[in-house]
Amino acid sequence: QVQLVQSGAEVKKPGASVKVSCKASGYTFTRYDINWVRQAAGQGLEWMGWMNPNSGNTGYKQKFQDRVTMTRDTSINTAYMELASLTSEDTAVYFCATASSGLYSAFDIWGQGTMVTVSS
Amino acid sequence: DIQMTQSPPSLSASAGDRVTITCRASQSVSRYLNWYQQRPGKAPNLLIYGASSLERGVPSRFSGSGSGTEFTLTITGLQPEDVATYYCQQTYSSPQTFGQGTKVEIK
Repeated sequence: QVQLVQSGAEVKKPGASVKVSCKASGYTFTRYDINWVRQAAGQGLEWMGWMNPNSGNTGYKQKFQDRVTMTRDTSINTAYMELASLTSEDTAVYFCATASSGLYSAFDIWGQGTMVTVSS
Repeated sequence: DIQMTQSPPSLSASAGDRVTITCRASQSVSRYLNWYQQRPGKAPNLLIYGASSLERGVPSRFSGSGSGTEFTLTITGLQPEDVATYYCQQTYSSPQTFGQGTKVEIK
């Protein structure tokens, strides 16, 4: 079935970087943009940016522009989100998601989420 | 950025009740408004796209309406499994933005 499977939980120190993976299966990976959304504990959802797996083109929310990088490896149908210069405010669950129907860009497929904890 | 404001922040209703959640946009988003359900510890699940279209597999007790700046999500006949937080999302302009969520509980 169509699914996105993310890498496991990470614990990082302030100032470090984290790289989260999102492996697609059940559909043609290069067909739909991969988006990243994060959620701090008890908080709402925050969109971070998108990547086109076919071209590698990206678009980032301005807040993350200077320290986020979204990439992909089409040989293994996997997208990556790397966030640098981590602070405690980056402690959150990070989701990848895609809009496979293309209708109103609604995210109909989500990964299970990856918990990233930033602590000294 | 377009601000999305949901009301109420939380509500408690009895099983079988009709529940309505409102989402207001700071400027028009046409019909580029989607609704998600998120149960604790889980990823969000798409319920409604394009303001009023029901996602495949979603129970028909869920419905959406609105356009422009004001939207509603209605649950007609609340069920115990509907206990969750509900989010609206606008995809009309970048950056796309979410409402702050409405937590629904059963009395």
